[in-house]
Amino acid sequence: DVKVTQSSRYLVKRTGEKVFLECVQDMDHENMFWYRQDPGLGLRLIYFSYDVKMKEKGDIPEGYSVSREKKERFSLILESASTNQTSMYLCASIPRGLTYEQYFGPGTRLTVT
Amino acid sequence: EDKVVQSPLSLVVHEGDTVTLNCSYEVTNFRSLLWYKQEKKAPTFLFMLTSSGIEKKSGRLSSILDKKELFSILNITATQTGDSAVYLCAVEPRGSEKLVFGKGTKLTVNP
Repeated sequence: DVKVTQSSRYLVKRTGEKVFLECVQDMDHENMFWYRQDPGLGLRLIYFSYDVKMKEKGDIPEGYSVSREKKERFSLILESASTNQTSMYLCASIPRGLTYEQYFGPGTRLTVT
Repeated sequence: EDKVVQSPLSLVVHEGDTVTLNCSYEVTNFRSLLWYKQEKKAPTFLFMLTSSGIEKKSGRLSSILDKKELFSILNITATQTGDSAVYLCAVEPRGSEKLVFGKGTKLTVNP
């Protein structure tokens, strides 16, 4: 079974803090994704990575950066957290060329106070 | 711009009812449409549809795609409280490995 794990289920941070959200997959997938999910807005793609050190902006990259130093790990970084980044963050992975079923992690609910 | 629109955004039914969830899309070059169910955490995959008119079925859930009219429906018969969830529709454009998601339909099944 594919396993996608995220470093925290719940996280509370203060405005201005630097926040790291980590995602690890154990199936050697090339493609990894970070989404945020907000009520009434659905899943929105923040960043996408299709290989180590490769990244592509999604629909809402502002205020975020990412890092992919190893194939299995994709990190989302909030350089200076703000209250409007309070959200559910979901990571997903998929082998290249097989987008039909993205495997999602359990999600991190981030609250910025 | 690729777009997915789901309707209704929320729905409340009683156990035993049949429901139909709608997903319409606009995409430059269509490859597939996917349905996910999301309860309290990660979305779980339900169906992938690539061809018009072929029904996919799993238990009480079924789905069909109309590529001419650019929509899909997800049917749930004899609903149960365990069907309460957000149902997400997503489209994969050809040549892209990213999915475009709709906002979801929140289904609540009351006993």
